[in-house]
Amino acid sequence: GNSVTQMEGPVTLSEEAFLTINCTYTATGYPSLFWYVQYPGEGLQLLLKATKADDKGSNKGFEATYRKETTSFHLEKGSVQVSDSAVYFCALRGVTDKLIFGTGTRLQVFP
Amino acid sequence: GAGVSQSPRYKVAKRGQDVALRCDPISGHVSLFWYQQALGQGPEFLTYFQNEAQLDKSGLPSDRFFAERPEGSVSTLKIQRTQQEDSAVYLCASSKRQRRDNYGYTFGSGTRLTVV
Repeated sequence: GNSVTQMEGPVTLSEEAFLTINCTYTATGYPSLFWYVQYPGEGLQLLLKATKADDKGSNKGFEATYRKETTSFHLEKGSVQVSDSAVYFCALRGVTDKLIFGTGTRLQVFP
Repeated sequence: GAGVSQSPRYKVAKRGQDVALRCDPISGHVSLFWYQQALGQGPEFLTYFQNEAQLDKSGLPSDRFFAERPEGSVSTLKIQRTQQEDSAVYLCASSKRQRRDNYGYTFGSGTRLTVV
C-alpha cells in the first residue's frame, strides 16, 4: 500500500542554518505530495504541495521538488528562523482522496 | 465559518464511557475527513464523507467507532465504550471538491481525547 517515510527528529539548528528534511514515498500511480506544518498548540497547515513529477512546491522560503525517479519530496529552506520551529509532516494523496502522512519531524531552531 | 471548527477542544472520558466529537467544516466544502493522531505520530486516516455519503470507513479501528454526516455539513465521530488506547487527538479536515483536484484540505485544531 501507499506509505510515507520521513527522517526522525528532532532536527536542531541555529538560526540562519540550511534545513533539509528528507521524505520518501511508496505509491502506485502518480500521487500528489504535500508538506504540512504543525506549530505548537495549533492545527495542521498546508505548507506546500506538488501534483506531478518535477513540480516544485514553495511557500514562506520552503521548497520541495517532486522527484519520481527517487520517489522523494525533500523539504528545504536556505535560512531557518526561530519562528520555523514546529513539526513538519510529509504526506501523499493517491487514487483515493485520503492523505497518508509520515510520522512527522520536529524542528527546533535556536537563536 | 472561516475555518474548520471542532468541539470540544479537550475531552476527558472515563474508561467505558461513550463520547461524541463534533466537526463543523467550512461552509460549502463537499469532502470531510476524520483522522486520529496519537502522541508523537502522524495523523492516521479514519473515515471520509462526500456530502452525506460515507465513502470510506476503512480506517475506523473497531466497531466502537462510528461517524455520521446526515445533512452533508456537520459531522460527528462517536466512540462507544472508550478504551485507553483511544486516547489521541482527533482531527477533522474538509475540502472544496472531490478527487483529482488541486484543492488542499483545511484542518481543524482537533479534539484531544484522554481516556482515564
